[in-house]
Amino acid sequence: KNEVEQSPQNLTAQEGEFITINCSYSVGISALHWLQQHPGGGIVSLFMLSSGKKKHGRLIATINIQEKHSSLHITASHPRDSAVYICAGGETSGSRLTFGEGTQLTVNP
Amino acid sequence: DTEVTQTPKHLVMGMTNKKSLKCEQHMGHRAMYWYKQKAKKPPELMFVYSYEKLSINESVPSRFSPECPNSSLLNLHLHALQPEDSALYLCASSQVWLSYNEQFFGPGTRLTVL
Repeated sequence: KNEVEQSPQNLTAQEGEFITINCSYSVGISALHWLQQHPGGGIVSLFMLSSGKKKHGRLIATINIQEKHSSLHITASHPRDSAVYICAGGETSGSRLTFGEGTQLTVNP
Repeated sequence: DTEVTQTPKHLVMGMTNKKSLKCEQHMGHRAMYWYKQKAKKPPELMFVYSYEKLSINESVPSRFSPECPNSSLLNLHLHALQPEDSALYLCASSQVWLSYNEQFFGPGTRLTVL
């Protein structure tokens, strides 16, 4: 069974801080998605990675295939970054996503 | 248009009611999904439609009945639900049903079953 583990579960930061959320995944997963969910429900896809690093604005996602580990970094954090961040692993030999439990991020002004 | 729309936003229903949730996308995506999400939990996959055919049913009770009338529309018909079915129901779509395809999510329907 595929597994995805996220840490930390909860994270509180001050505005401007550099933030890192980590995700480890099991054999059987070859694509890693980072998602953002604001209060009220809507989910936004931030990145999909199968290798290397991607950057979009203040967000950076990296993946280390050998270590089966991915990180999401937020530079110069802002209160509007407060949300739940979810990593989800895509099956190598299938099409399902396995979701992590999510990280609740709160950025205080 | 890179949006997935869902209606209604909120729904309150009794256990004997019949209602439907609707999802629409106009991105030409050929895979559409229904997820159920309980509070403070990640989404759980319910159904996957690929090219308008039901490809995955994750052992969902028959009181939930999905329908894909065409490539842009996805419905979820609800009948005789239980209070434990109260949750956020999310629709998503992707170009095709592959795990490295980005999924676009709708805003969800918050369902309360009394």
